Amino acid sequence: GAVVSQHPSRVICKSGTSVKIECRSLDFQATTMFWYRQFPKQSLMLMATSNEGSKATYEQGVEKDKFLINHASLTLSTLTVTSAHPEDSSFYICSAREGLNYGYTFGSGTRLTVV
Amino acid sequence: EDQVTQSPEALRLQEGESSSLNCSYTVSGLRGLFWYRQDPGKGPEFLFTLYSAGEEKEKERLKATLTKKESFLHITAPKPEDSATYLCAVLGGAGNMLTFGGGTRLMVKP
Repeated sequence: GAVVSQHPSRVICKSGTSVKIECRSLDFQATTMFWYRQFPKQSLMLMATSNEGSKATYEQGVEKDKFLINHASLTLSTLTVTSAHPEDSSFYICSAREGLNYGYTFGSGTRLTVV
Repeated sequence: EDQVTQSPEALRLQEGESSSLNCSYTVSGLRGLFWYRQDPGKGPEFLFTLYSAGEEKEKERLKATLTKKESFLHITAPKPEDSATYLCAVLGGAGNMLTFGGGTRLMVKP
């Protein structure tokens, strides 16, 4: 089945620095990938839709200058948290869909801790 | 706007005690209802997709059903390893984004 690989699984960074998270579709091409944020004991909140070769579409309330998304190829999307602050600490998850007749596959998530 | 509500928020069961999780939804033009399992610190793991009312799907101790307003995830004779958060999501309208419910945290005690 479809596999989505997400790295790193955990990252700790200092306040004010930037962190990049990678999301790769390993055995299929994904023109669209999705980035979610999840707080403890809460459900997934869609942050943005990443479109290959074009700008990402951000959900209301998500700062596009803080959460930079790049979808440079059909198998790779990256999320960069710029000038990270402690309130950005969270669990970030990416997702992709192989095609219209398939389910959405999720990465294993990235636990970001900003100190 | 699509809306998904899951109940209960948390459910404690004894091993072998069957039960059901509910997912109520409001969507314009349902194109799919998805069930996922999520373990702590992991991404959601795909379980089922249902497309039309009356559809049912099974996988081991899990069975998902769908009506025009809700979906149920039935768990038969659960085991401790079934403990996880179960998420329901819908795909509707012309978009390609899932709308998630709040999830049900299931705890199965031996």
